[in-house]
Amino acid sequence: DAMVIQNPRYQVTQFGKPVTLSCSQTLNHNVMYWYQQKSSQAPKLLFHYYDKDFNNEADTPDNFQSRRPNTSFCFLDIRSPGLGDAAMYLCATSVSRGGTGVNIQYFGAGTRLSVL
Amino acid sequence: QKEVEQNSGPLSVPEGAIASLNCTYSDRGSQSFFWYRQYSGKSPELIMFIYSNGDKEDGRFTAQLNKASQYVSLLIRDSQPSDSATYLCAVKVGSNDYKLSFGAGTTVTVRA
Repeated sequence: DAMVIQNPRYQVTQFGKPVTLSCSQTLNHNVMYWYQQKSSQAPKLLFHYYDKDFNNEADTPDNFQSRRPNTSFCFLDIRSPGLGDAAMYLCATSVSRGGTGVNIQYFGAGTRLSVL
Repeated sequence: QKEVEQNSGPLSVPEGAIASLNCTYSDRGSQSFFWYRQYSGKSPELIMFIYSNGDKEDGRFTAQLNKASQYVSLLIRDSQPSDSATYLCAVKVGSNDYKLSFGAGTTVTVRA
């Protein structure tokens, strides 16, 4: 089945130790997103790629970086994780739906990051 | 003012009843609206989307959109315990075709 796959599902890192989360997709969607979601809060968009074009949200800390080496893969790098970065990280992909122009986002299962 | 606002709940309904969830948004130019269901510790999954004023039905779910009043609602008929989850309202942001703004979600509990 075509899908959005995130690895790992759970990641534990130490304060200040760089960590990379990965996302792959078989949907052949050209837009990929990274969200941060903390408990009982809305998913917060960190950045997205439209094809190879990187779009950073204005309030995304510099500590968060992303790479998209090809259509299928996208990585989230946290250079120096702090305790406040503990959250669920969600990857999503999207494609527009023909004449309606409705852009539906499909989510991976998420990576839950713990920072010790 | 938040872009998308929802009552956090919890909304508790008995099995078989109708659950009614509301969402308001601030951008009058918003065009597309989405309801996602998120089980605890899981990722959001799309239930349905709506972009025209009025009602849209899909099985036990009905989305209602009123652009003049800037609200969108979701009705869950014949609620089942498996419907217990957090429901996220998402709105396409302005003219950007790719970004969604999410509400914090309404938690629904269906009592057996």
